[in-house]
Parts: sequence; C-alpha cells; structure tokens
Amino acid sequence: DGGITQSPKYLFRKEGQNVTLSCEQNLNHDAMYWYRQDPGQGLRLIYYSQIVNDFQKGDIAEGYSVSREKKESFPLTVTSAQKNPTAFYLCASSVRQPMNTEAFFGQGTRLTVV
Amino acid sequence: DQQVKQNSPSLSVQEGRISILNCDYTNSMFDYFLWYKKYPAEGPTFLISISSIKDKNEDGRFTVFLNKSAKHLSLHIVPSQPGDSAVYFCAASATGSARQLTFGSGTQLTVLP
Repeated sequence: DGGITQSPKYLFRKEGQNVTLSCEQNLNHDAMYWYRQDPGQGLRLIYYSQIVNDFQKGDIAEGYSVSREKKESFPLTVTSAQKNPTAFYLCASSVRQPMNTEAFFGQGTRLTVV
Repeated sequence: DQQVKQNSPSLSVQEGRISILNCDYTNSMFDYFLWYKKYPAEGPTFLISISSIKDKNEDGRFTVFLNKSAKHLSLHIVPSQPGDSAVYFCAASATGSARQLTFGSGTQLTVLP
C-alpha cells in the first residue's frame, strides 16, 4: 500500500528538549512538506523540500529544522528554540511542480510539551 | 495576512439537503484550488480540486465552483450525509511557488440526521 507514515502518533517532550518527528513516504514523490495545525487555525507551512538534499523555509520555520537525505524520508526536529511547540504536526508529499496535483497527508503527530 | 479565508467556522445542515462551504482568497497568483476533508486527530484527505482555467468541477456529490473575478470558491455537497460531518479546508497554490498549499482556517460541517 502506498502512503505516508508519520510516527509516533503521540509524543511528549519536556521543555528544553529537542524531539524529532518521522515522516516516510513510498509514493515516489519528489516534494515533501511539514505543516503545523493549531486549534481553530488552518495548516501553516513549516518547511518544504522539492528534491533530495534541498529544502526551503516555510512561513513558520523558526525553532524547527529538517533534513532530506533520502527521497522517502523528511524528518522534522522541533528544537528547544521553538517557543510554543505543542501542536498537531502533519507531513505531506506530492509530485514535483509545475504539475497541478494534490498533496497527500500522513495521519499526523500530536506533540505535547510537559 | 491571511491569503485564504474561510469566514464561517461552522455550518449545520440537515441530512439530504445541500451543504455550501465558502472560501475567499486574496492572492491573484493562485491558480489551483483544492478542498480537503479532515477528521479529528487524522490527516486531511483530498476531496476535489479546480484549476483557474475552469469555473466548475464536479465529482459525484461534490462540486467546486470558482469565481475568479470575485476571488471566491465554494464547495457544494448534495445530498449531504451524516458521514460528511468533518472540518473542510480550502487550499490554494500558485505556479512557481513550489506548489506548497496555503490553507484556510477550516469550516466544521455538521450534518444532522
């Protein structure tokens, strides 16, 4: 089955700690994205990558870091510099532009800072 | 500055009737529009899309209308079913933007049996 897998589904972090969220896809998509959802808000773009070994900041990249060493994988690290990390994190992938196409989403990771 | 706006946070509709969800955008560079459906604690699932060269796209019970001059799109669901109850997000992208999606804040649709 092709799809996007995010793990873990729930994650708890102590203040001051870095934590890494996993995202793997087997759709052979070039582009991958990380979004954050807060209650009552839409999805906001954190980082995106169009190709292996290249990634760009989105609208709210501060306090986050990513890597894209393999086409299938796009992990997101939430660093201690992120002031309000508690949120629902969504990873997505799509074929590379300029094609008009939808993005496919994983099931999300809920991160809670305790 | 919200480039994609969904001004109705919630909508209730009787089963069998039509649901109309609205979305406005401000960025004239957007040329591809999508609707996603989302259940709590799950990722959004794609519903339907429309390119800016069209003004209507239909897929079963779902129809999306695009009014470029008004920078407005809407999603019609007819007939509405209780399983349609979810949060609906409007999204848009632009050529040359790496196709990242800009999302609205969502509308919670409740279909009453």
